[in-house]
Amino acid sequence: QQQVKQSPQSLIVQKGGISIINCAYENTAFDYFPWYQQFPGKGPALLIAIRPDVSEKKEGRFTISFNKSAKQFSLHIMDSQPGDSATYFCAASISQGAQKLVFGQGTRLTINP
Amino acid sequence: NAGVTQTPKFQVLKTGQSMTLQCAQDMNHNSMYWYRQDPGMGLRLIYYSASEGTTDKGEVPNGYNVSRLNKREFSLRLESAAPSQTSVYFCASLERTMGNQPQHFGDGTRLSIL
Repeated sequence: QQQVKQSPQSLIVQKGGISIINCAYENTAFDYFPWYQQFPGKGPALLIAIRPDVSEKKEGRFTISFNKSAKQFSLHIMDSQPGDSATYFCAASISQGAQKLVFGQGTRLTINP
Repeated sequence: NAGVTQTPKFQVLKTGQSMTLQCAQDMNHNSMYWYRQDPGMGLRLIYYSASEGTTDKGEVPNGYNVSRLNKREFSLRLESAAPSQTSVYFCASLERTMGNQPQHFGDGTRLSIL
C-alpha cells in the first residue's frame, strides 16, 4: 500500500528553470512532511521539511507548498542548477510516537546545462 | 566525524546463504533504522530501534532480523537470502525518535542475491 504517491518519476529541466515535484498522501494523521535529496552512490539527506500548520516554507532556492485540504504537497526548485541533479524523495510521518517515515517513489531530476 | 557507517558496501550472495549487514553511528543518536530501496518504490522501512534495547517491525520485515547491539550499532540479518531481497539497504539514525528530527543516512549496502 503506497500511502505517499510522488510524480513525476523523472524530470528534465533546463538550467535556470523551475523544477516542480508533486506528492499526495492518504493518511490524514500525517503531520510532518520532509523532502530528501539523494546523489548517486550516497544515502538520502534532508533537504527541507514542513508541518501542515503552514502553507509554504522557503529555504534559499527550495520551496515546499502544502495544501492540507487536497492532501498534496510539492517541492519547487527555483533557478535550477546542474548541481541539483539528483533523486528527490518526499516523505510523511506522524509526530506522535516513533518517527516512521513513509516515502514516495522518488523523482530523478536532471538539470541540463 | 564519520556519521553513519555501513559495511560492506557491496555483496553478492547465493540463494539460501545468510548474511549480516552492519551499521554504526558516532553521533550518540538514540534511534536507528533499516530501509531497503528498490527502483520505483522509494525507501521502505524494514525494522527500527527507537532506543537501545528495543526493536520494532516496519513495513517490510519478513525475511529479516535485527539486533541493536549497543547504542552505536544496529545490524540487519538475512537468515536465508532470496532473490527478492536483492536491493540497496540503508541504515539511518535519529537523535531522538520523538519530534521532527532529520534522519541521517549511511551510503548503503548494495546486495545482490543470485
